[in-house]
Amino acid sequence: QSALTQPASVSGSPGQSITISCTGTSSDVDAYDYVSWYQQHPGKAPKLMIYDVSNRPSGVSNRFSGSKSGNTASLTISGLQADDEADYYCSSYTSSSRVFGGGTKLTVL
Amino acid sequence: QVHLQESGPGLVTPSETLSLTCSVSGGSISSYFWSWIRQPPGKGPEWIGYVYYSGSTKYNPSLKSRVRMSLDTSKNQFSLELTSVTAADTAVYYCARSLPNTRLRFDSWGQGTLVTVSS
Repeated sequence: QSALTQPASVSGSPGQSITISCTGTSSDVDAYDYVSWYQQHPGKAPKLMIYDVSNRPSGVSNRFSGSKSGNTASLTISGLQADDEADYYCSSYTSSSRVFGGGTKLTVL
Repeated sequence: QVHLQESGPGLVTPSETLSLTCSVSGGSISSYFWSWIRQPPGKGPEWIGYVYYSGSTKYNPSLKSRVRMSLDTSKNQFSLELTSVTAADTAVYYCARSLPNTRLRFDSWGQGTLVTVSS
């Protein structure tokens, strides 16, 4: 059982927007503004897409955005593209360690 | 650009010790936090712990009694040992880098290595 809760799957058509939620507790998501989001294509290592709730690393498209309210963080992908189809994981800092979500499979229809 | 590469046995016998090494190229091992993260098939990642370039360590409380990490600055490598393994330790094991003051933000990852625990 993962520490953070994500929906198992979401889907959307090209050009649409989707949002993936990540629910934690008062000890992780709610306590710190250190939520990250990772994208993972099959057989590949995770790639950092969002850090510190809403910041994008250099090179990541501005179609990816993050937010947080209380113990729930969210990743929004706008203008869906075929290459966005992947697994997405949230992660939160907590007490000198990191916890991850169970992952959400994004299908681009 | 830094490159991380995991190496070690792909098959470990139950009750034995899993040992992996991560080789870092394209950058120094100094001044960073170096973590091991594992991902069981079809599941989310699990942070195992980190070793700082100074040699200090921090482990996931759920694995702390079985984990040991170390680094060798002369070889630009760091290592993981996980003792008394069971089938539940079967996973893809990744090494990853974090900058100081980023609260373990993993900005570079190795490609991962599958370790299967089976007799």
